[in-house]
Amino acid sequence: DVKVTQSSRYLVKRTGEKVFLECVQDMDHENMFWYRQDPGLGLRLIYFSYDVKMKEKGDIPEGYSVSREKKERFSLILESASTNQTSMYLCASSTPYRGLNEQYFGPGTRLTVT
Amino acid sequence: AQSVAQPEDQVNVAEGNPLTVKCTYSVSGNPYLFWYVQYPNRGLQFLLKYITGDNLVKGSYGFEAEFNKSQTSFHLKKPSALVSDSALYFCAVSSGSSNTGKLIFGQGTTLQVKP
Repeated sequence: DVKVTQSSRYLVKRTGEKVFLECVQDMDHENMFWYRQDPGLGLRLIYFSYDVKMKEKGDIPEGYSVSREKKERFSLILESASTNQTSMYLCASSTPYRGLNEQYFGPGTRLTVT
Repeated sequence: AQSVAQPEDQVNVAEGNPLTVKCTYSVSGNPYLFWYVQYPNRGLQFLLKYITGDNLVKGSYGFEAEFNKSQTSFHLKKPSALVSDSALYFCAVSSGSSNTGKLIFGQGTTLQVKP
């Protein structure tokens, strides 16, 4: 069974802290994605990666960075957390064949920044 | 630019009745369309997709969706709703001209099925 795991289900951080969100997939997928989910706004893409050490900005990359040193792991970094980054963060992975393949999602990390 | 619209924030239906969750899209090139479901405090689960071929697509848990090219719609349907179908539903689209696998998601529709 396919699996995407995220390091924490719930996380509480203080303003200004550096925050790491980790995502691991066991399906040997090339593509990995980070989204944030906010009520009424759906899912918005923060960053995605189509290969190791490769990344591209999504729709809302400001205040975030990413790292992909190994194929199975994709990290989202909040360099200096702010209260407007309080949200649900979802990681996903897929194979790259011309967008035909569905994305598989992790359970999400609910981040609260106080 | 690609976009997806789910015109209803919430859909209410009685158990046993048919349900429809609406989705319209805008994309250049051939659309690849997806439906996902999210149960409380969980990630998204894939329900079904349309790539090509038959306009009626069948998916998990008895759901189906109808692709209508002229109306640029991809509505999710189920003949008989269950209370356990209550969840948040997302429609998503990617373009055949894209090689990245990126999806554009709608804002989501909450389905409430009452006993």
